[in-house]
Amino acid sequence: DGGITQSPKYLFRKEGQNVTLSCEQNLNHDAMYWYRQDPGQGLRLIYYSQIVNDFQKGDIAEGYSVSREKKESFPLTVTSAQKNPTAFYLCASRGVGLEKLFFGSGTQLSVL
Amino acid sequence: AQRVTQPEKLLSVFKGAPVELKCNYSYSGSPELFWYVQYSRQRLQLLLRHISRESIKGFTADLNKGETSFHLKKPFAQEEDSAMYYCALISDNAGNMLTFGGGTRLMVKP
Repeated sequence: DGGITQSPKYLFRKEGQNVTLSCEQNLNHDAMYWYRQDPGQGLRLIYYSQIVNDFQKGDIAEGYSVSREKKESFPLTVTSAQKNPTAFYLCASRGVGLEKLFFGSGTQLSVL
Repeated sequence: AQRVTQPEKLLSVFKGAPVELKCNYSYSGSPELFWYVQYSRQRLQLLLRHISRESIKGFTADLNKGETSFHLKKPFAQEEDSAMYYCALISDNAGNMLTFGGGTRLMVKP
């Protein structure tokens, strides 16, 4: 199913709660990305990682954290500091060079 | 900083009409441009990339470095072309950060 899996498909967060979105890929890709998709605002980069144990902030990293302990996994934590977390979150991965991105099917996060 | 601008959020055309989705960019270094498409209830997927100089599903896009544009064109739109289209840029001066535009929703009416 595309080689990149996001879970869960739907996630609900209570006020003050941290939640973690999972992203796993079996494509042996080095680079992985997290994007936030809001209606009318397109895709905005949250964090990206080029190799294991390394990651960089994107355009809207505040209120989010990531880790890259394994090549296959790039989980995103939405912390309580993120005041407007309701959005559709997309994970993507890419191989060496300037190859295309492979996208996951996304996680819809909503606040209770 | 690199930036991608898609000035139209919505583009509505009739079937058989030509379509042009605009994309302008700013960058540092040597950019690589892409068009991604998201059909209803499907994953975002690559449509075409400028270095390939290819035509996919009748769409083409030419990189104009003078105007810093990468507009997507199709001479005769089809109903199945209705989707969300994103222009994206990656620059060798920005690590491997891939930046997307805000997207344009194309609606092709019968």
